[in-house]
Amino acid sequence: KQEVTQIPAALSVPEGENLVLNCSFTDSAIYNLQWFRQDPGKGLTSLLLIQSSQREQTSGRLNASLDKSSGRSTLYIAASQPGDSATYLCAAYGQNFVFGPGTRLSVLP
Amino acid sequence: NAGVTQTPKFQVLKTGQSMTLQCAQDMNHNSMYWYRQDPGMGLRLIYYSASEGTTDKGEVPNGYNVSRLNKREFSLRLESAAPSQTSVYFCAVRPRTGGVMNTEAFFGQGTRLTVV
Repeated sequence: KQEVTQIPAALSVPEGENLVLNCSFTDSAIYNLQWFRQDPGKGLTSLLLIQSSQREQTSGRLNASLDKSSGRSTLYIAASQPGDSATYLCAAYGQNFVFGPGTRLSVLP
Repeated sequence: NAGVTQTPKFQVLKTGQSMTLQCAQDMNHNSMYWYRQDPGMGLRLIYYSASEGTTDKGEVPNGYNVSRLNKREFSLRLESAAPSQTSVYFCAVRPRTGGVMNTEAFFGQGTRLTVV
């Protein structure tokens, strides 16, 4: 059974810092891994999708990497802004979509 | 283009009451999913429908039933609501390409359900 964990559970940084969020999964037989953002009381917004054959994807200040062999993905956020404050979820897609518990990010002005 | 629409957005039920959560998509995607999100538990899959006419159980199906009415709509029914079903429910959709689901998932805004 696939299990997905995320470290850290919560993170608070000053504005402008570069930061890394970590996602680990136990079963490397995945089709893809997707990163989402969730604002309080809202739904999930897709940030990046990494196919199993890819090693990274970039969108603006976001860069996500995938290492299937080690069961890890990282989300790198450059030059963080207060508007980046949210919960970030990763989800590994194999038989089905399995979510991690999320990292709650606070970027302080 | 609304994407994935869930109704209602909020609902309070008494224990034992029944209700149906509705999900509709205008993205023409084949696969639809129902998740629940609980504090400290993350999102857990209740049921999914890989294509019109098929449904399958996910991780936590007990106490729920689903109907894939057509390609656009996937409903989740609570026959006899229990306080343990207090949660935020999300519907998701994704396309199916060549038999392999190597594509993004898109989520609705959620239904906040409280069972008292």
